Amino acid sequence: SAVISQKPSRDICQRGTSLTIQCQVDSQVTMMFWYRQQPGQSLTLIATANQGSEATYESGFVIDKFPISRPNLTFSTLTVSNMSPEDSSIYLCSVTGLTGGESGNTIYFGEGSWLTVV
Amino acid sequence: LAKTTQPISMDSYEGQEVNITCSHNNIATNDYITWYQQFPSQGPRFIIQGYKTKVTNEVASLFIPADRKSSTLSLPRVSLSDTAVYYCLVVLHTGRRALTFGSGTRLQVQP
Repeated sequence: SAVISQKPSRDICQRGTSLTIQCQVDSQVTMMFWYRQQPGQSLTLIATANQGSEATYESGFVIDKFPISRPNLTFSTLTVSNMSPEDSSIYLCSVTGLTGGESGNTIYFGEGSWLTVV
Repeated sequence: LAKTTQPISMDSYEGQEVNITCSHNNIATNDYITWYQQFPSQGPRFIIQGYKTKVTNEVASLFIPADRKSSTLSLPRVSLSDTAVYYCLVVLHTGRRALTFGSGTRLQVQP
């Protein structure tokens, strides 16, 4: 299995500021994704983080608001820009395609980063 | 992507067996059925995955009929710590794509 570390785990942010969330995996993975989960809701896919190229965003999410980086096979960042209270959510990093081992196709999630915008 | 439908919520008592059924009428030949568990303020955790018939692991059993249009997650002898949201998903065999989450089933286990 994969161990996924997200930082920060929790933060309170001021309206209008930006915050970058880091996702570090303990092994190389083929694919990394970012999800948002608003209070009491299910998970919504924001984008697929592509190594060395621009992320692929889902409908309703744009790069200016959620810039994503993925410099290598074990690390990605998601920035939530110009935050408003509506951005208060849990942001989750997800990975799949572990190199080697029988769990290569299983999708794993980090513990999430809980952001509250005030 | 195959859409899944599952009950919004279920209640049970400690020690009982819980069965959560999910329908996925449009499942494709290369799709697998996967279940995740999510506790409050945590990321989803993989429980079990299957293609047909029955799959069992240390946590749960998954029953899939021959037509694969539905599946049932069975949790034996639940405890209070099994209170969580359970998501049924249909995923491509290769797994090399993001998951699409439905609303999930909120299981509340009472003492």
